[in-house]
Amino acid sequence: EDKVVQSPLSLVVHEGDTVTLNCSYEVTNFRSLLWYKQEKKAPTFLFMLTSSGIEKKSGRLSSILDKKELFSILNITATQTGDSAVYLCAVEVSYFDSGNTPLVFGKGTRLSVIA
Amino acid sequence: EADIYQTPRYLVIGTGKKITLECSQTMGHDKMYWYQQDPGMELHLIHYSYGVNSTEKGDLSSESTVSRIRTEHFPLTLESARPSHTSQYLCASSEYEEGEAFFGQGTRLTVV
Repeated sequence: EDKVVQSPLSLVVHEGDTVTLNCSYEVTNFRSLLWYKQEKKAPTFLFMLTSSGIEKKSGRLSSILDKKELFSILNITATQTGDSAVYLCAVEVSYFDSGNTPLVFGKGTRLSVIA
Repeated sequence: EADIYQTPRYLVIGTGKKITLECSQTMGHDKMYWYQQDPGMELHLIHYSYGVNSTEKGDLSSESTVSRIRTEHFPLTLESARPSHTSQYLCASSEYEEGEAFFGQGTRLTVV
């Protein structure tokens, strides 16, 4: 069974700290890995990673994928209270016989940044 | 352990057919959501419910309808499927509006 495991489940840090969120996966046919930030009802897309070792950056956020070790990390530097959210990791799985590419989600990491 | 289930996981259906995507959760959560999502794209909220007999449209216009007759059940119905409805549909539930949402595994719908 395909699965995505995120750690930690919950994290509390002070403003200015740097955090690293982890996502490991075990899937049959990996296609891509995605990170989302969920604050209210609709998670917002952060990164899509398909190639190993290539870091993607957006402001204070960055992410990298290791396809050999089957994990990804999401880094947030100089955290702000506005970074408080649940961060979701999802893996897109390819089923070659059907052509379907469903997403398998982790449970998320709840990040709380306090002033 | 979060228990939220969607069926079917995959569905291929012809244009014009009526379909219902099922979503059930056993956590007793009042809040439930339906999202539409394509790979690499944002999750778009199409419907949500804050409890039994409460349903609201989300941010993305959708031709689907939902019902919430029981707390644990939040089905989504397309009266007449079209190719533009081809997408992945994700169901989620949460205890509070700003609390962690637990997602189902999704239904991948293809309309031909």
